[in-house]
Amino acid sequence: EIVMTQSPATLSVSPGERATLSCRASQSVSSNLAWYQQKPGQAPRLLIYGASTRATGIPARFSGSGSGTEFTLTISSLQSEDFAVYYCQQYNNLGTFGQGTKLEIK
Amino acid sequence: EVQLVQSGAEVKKSGESLKISCKGSGYSFTSFWIGWVRQMPGKGLEWMGFIYPGDSDTRYSPSFQGQVTISADKSISTAYLQWSSLKASDTAMYYCARGVVAAPPTFDYWGQGTLVTVSS
Repeated sequence: EIVMTQSPATLSVSPGERATLSCRASQSVSSNLAWYQQKPGQAPRLLIYGASTRATGIPARFSGSGSGTEFTLTISSLQSEDFAVYYCQQYNNLGTFGQGTKLEIK
Repeated sequence: EVQLVQSGAEVKKSGESLKISCKGSGYSFTSFWIGWVRQMPGKGLEWMGFIYPGDSDTRYSPSFQGQVTISADKSISTAYLQWSSLKASDTAMYYCARGVVAAPPTFDYWGQGTLVTVSS
């Protein structure tokens, strides 16, 4: 089973600043990588799939990059509604989620 | 409007069986994979498996193979997740979600979640 490792576990950033979240796969997943956002008490929301394709309705401040085993989610200018937990998920072989990164207000 | 509506919260005892449901509407139910995701209290997301209602092709994560059964009834646009013998460790929120056409194990529309509580 492919193991996904996210870093850091918690990221503290001020509104308006850039946030960079990382995700590493235990083996290559090509570009078969997605990112989700989850707020307390809500279902997850798909942000990115194919490593860099934004899902429908996702603002341009969210961008994804990477391939193989190293991936990055960048939020260019943090808005108040962006503070949440973010998960990466590989789907090269079924699906596996990372353990999540909590993005909190600094 | 695409919607996935899940059945209500359940409180069960260890050893009991359970089947929860997820009804899709607003799209062609037989043309999209439907998956299930577990979230234990205060923990992260776990990919359980998914089914293609058009032909009932079903795939499971190794972690959940043999532990649960995923099924679907396309005549009523409903997917199911079931247990034959619950354990306290099955206590969690369970989400159903629709697969992205270009990337089926990835999910774009989600149900509201079904909270399953199992007491020992």
